[in-house]
Amino acid sequence: DSGVTQTPKHLITATGQRVTLRCSPRSGDLSVYWYQQSLDQGLQFLIQYYNGEERAKGNILERFSAQQFPDLHSELNLSSLELGDSALYFCASSVYISGGGFTGELFFGEGSRLTVL
Amino acid sequence: AQRVTQPEKLLSVFKGAPVELKCNYSYSGSPELFWYVQYSRQRLQLLLRHISRESIKGFTADLNKGETSFHLKKPFAQEEDSAMYYCALNGDDKIIFGKGTRLHILP
Repeated sequence: DSGVTQTPKHLITATGQRVTLRCSPRSGDLSVYWYQQSLDQGLQFLIQYYNGEERAKGNILERFSAQQFPDLHSELNLSSLELGDSALYFCASSVYISGGGFTGELFFGEGSRLTVL
Repeated sequence: AQRVTQPEKLLSVFKGAPVELKCNYSYSGSPELFWYVQYSRQRLQLLLRHISRESIKGFTADLNKGETSFHLKKPFAQEEDSAMYYCALNGDDKIIFGKGTRLHILP
């Protein structure tokens, strides 16, 4: 399957802990986006990377960080976890043409469901 | 700041009736707008984009810059249209989504 893959699918952890969520984009896509979906909050944009570099930032907490590696996979690190961080975290990828902009379609993974107890 | 508002959390419509899912946006520049859909047990996927001016699965959406709206319409609802619909805006490399509207088609 050459679609966007996210691991783990489910994760349960305790407050104060740190977790890493991983995303592999579609083959050929250089751009990766991270979103958080909490109850009643819809999809909140966190951050975007293009070819290893941070491209745009949303309302990402300082306790959260991300990076995109040379092989284009991305990791979202969440630290000092709080109960309110429990959410579904989505990764999406797109074909992004530098200087030409966004092509118009995001391809989403199935999400990683994080539960903080 | 960019903002996308979908005023209805849930919309129930009878099969065969017209559907209109509302979307309003706030953005100072020239926006690119999209509708995404998530069917049960499937991934979120693009339904249509305003620049294409296309009709997908009978759905259309027209960008109204005066009213800053991008409402999704379909003349005759079908049961398979039941899903979660999200309006999205691309501006300044940030793709912002509304909170979504759940469309429930009644038999």
